[in-house]
Amino acid sequence: SQQGEEDPQALSIQEGENATMNCSYKTSINNLQWYRQNSGRGLVHLILIRSNEREKHSGRLRVTLDTSKKSSSLLITASRAADTASYFCATGIKAAGNKLTFGGGTRVLVKP
Amino acid sequence: EPEVTQTPSHQVTQMGQEVILRCVPISNHLYFYWYRQILGQKVEFLVSFYNNEISEKSEIFDDQFSVERPDGSNFTLKIRSTKLEDSAMYFCASRWTGEPFEKLFFGSGTQLSVL
Repeated sequence: SQQGEEDPQALSIQEGENATMNCSYKTSINNLQWYRQNSGRGLVHLILIRSNEREKHSGRLRVTLDTSKKSSSLLITASRAADTASYFCATGIKAAGNKLTFGGGTRVLVKP
Repeated sequence: EPEVTQTPSHQVTQMGQEVILRCVPISNHLYFYWYRQILGQKVEFLVSFYNNEISEKSEIFDDQFSVERPDGSNFTLKIRSTKLEDSAMYFCASRWTGEPFEKLFFGSGTQLSVL
């Protein structure tokens, strides 16, 4: 199946440090997205990268996509305590109506 | 930013009862989805809906589940006879045709507890 798997499952860092998390998937995709979820809340879209792109930036976020390795990474630079959340990658296939398949998520704790 | 609204935020029900979870997608969105997340597990796709019909559904979305867009603004998920394993957070999402068109806008979810 087209599942995303993320690592690490959990990450604990100090405020100001960078946080990097990775996502791997199994089948060809049209796009990969990262979402953030605060505890018990909904998912918030962070950034999207399409299969013909290799890197994108949005504020303190940097996402890369390597379609040959079927993997992506999300980097959060200069982390803040408010970045504490779970981060999920999600892969989309146009032929499947752009439904998203989510990975298991990385729980990030940023300590002040 | 416009929001997807879900009600109720929490629903407690007895096994075997019917529940209806309600969602108001963003007004100019055309594609609608239901996902669920069992505590501590992945977010799972249930169903997608476009042009007043189901586009795709997962294996989870069996005959006990149905969706409806009764009045052009609400989008509902009905579970006819709830089971204990239906306990989860249910998320509604919608999608537009603007850029990026693949982005989903999620509601805050309905926490369903089946006792």
